[in-house]
Order: sequence, then C-alpha cells, then structure tokens
Amino acid sequence: GAVVSQHPSRVICKSGTSVKIECRSLDFQATTMFWYRQFPKQSLMLMATSNEGSKATYEQGVEKDKFLINHASLTLSTLTVTSAHPEDSSFYICSARDFVETQYFGPGTRLLVL
Amino acid sequence: QKEVEQDPGPLSVPEGAIVSLNCTYSNSAFQYFMWYRQYSRKGPELLMYTYSSGNKEDGRFTAQVDKSSKYISLFIRDSQPSDSATYLCAMSGQDSSASKIIFGSGTRLSIRP
Repeated sequence: GAVVSQHPSRVICKSGTSVKIECRSLDFQATTMFWYRQFPKQSLMLMATSNEGSKATYEQGVEKDKFLINHASLTLSTLTVTSAHPEDSSFYICSARDFVETQYFGPGTRLLVL
Repeated sequence: QKEVEQDPGPLSVPEGAIVSLNCTYSNSAFQYFMWYRQYSRKGPELLMYTYSSGNKEDGRFTAQVDKSSKYISLFIRDSQPSDSATYLCAMSGQDSSASKIIFGSGTRLSIRP
C-alpha cells in the first residue's frame, strides 16, 4: 500500500512557541492531503483539507491563523501550530488521497505543549 | 443524525472467534467504503477498500457492503490478540454531497487470549 510519513513523531514545546509538522507521500503524488486531530479514545476530527498549490479549506471552528497549512508540492504538506498552548496538545495525523479515492494515513505526531 | 453511525464498543471476544463490525450510513451518494485499523498511538492503517455493493475478501478479513440497507460490515475470521485495535469505517462518493471521506467513530476491539 501507499506510504505516508510524518515528522516529527513526537514533539514537546513551550507555550507560545510554534511547531511545524511535515507530511509526505513517499510513493505516490497526492493532490489532496488532510490534517486531523485526535484526542485520547476519540475518533478523528478533520481540521483542514490541503490542496496542492491552493489555500487550505478549514473545517468550522478551526482557526486558520493558528493552524497554518502549506501544500507546496504533490508530496509534501506542512501544518504549523502557531503560538502553541497546552490545550493544543493532541495527536495530529495527516493523510493523503490517491486517485482511487482512498486515504492513506501517516503515523501521527504527538504534540505536548508545556 | 450522524452521516455514519458506528458502535464504539468496546467489543471483547475470545481468540479464534469470528468478529463482526458494522456501520450504518444515511447518504445514498456514498460509493467508496473503507475499513481502517488503528492501534493505540498510531495512525490508521487501511485494511479494506470496496467500491459500491458486494463482498471483498482478503485473508482473514471480509468486507460487505449492502447499499440497499445502507449497511457495511467487516468480518474477521480466526481472530488473534494482534487484531486488538480500534476499527474505523469510512466512506465517500463522487457526488458533491459526499466528496469528503466521512469516518465512523470507531469500534474498540479486544481479543482475549
């Protein structure tokens, strides 16, 4: 199956700093990538849809100025959590969609804001 | 009413049992149906992908789609402790009302040795 990588896998930062998470599709080109957030024992919450070369589409309630998304190429999307606060601590997962309409997920990034 | 309904469980069965996981949905425009497995603290892994109605088998896993009833199932035969995970159903379609992939809330499955 298709492989999606995420980096870093885990990050701890101080409150007020910014954190960048990278999502890469390793063996296929993804015109669309998605960013999810997941709290313990809960399902995936879609944050935004990222299309290569255009602005991301954010879900209702997600602050676009706080969660900056860039999809500069067909294999790379980045999520930057700006001025992170403890309530931003969560598990962030990206996924990439291929032409067959399936989504392949990255391994996730665990963010802890102190 | 949620677009996709999935019993959250937890579901606990003995090793070797047949497991049945199910989802119901309301949008008749859904055409693509998927099952993902997610281990704790990991990203979801695609298990099965089905287009439209019918059955699909892959090893110990069988996916069924009944579009007339808006009901999909995943069967796991000869269940193993390593199958213990959360299973999420997902679906989408080409119609504009179903362009996003919608996930179920996930069913937590535990296989007892």
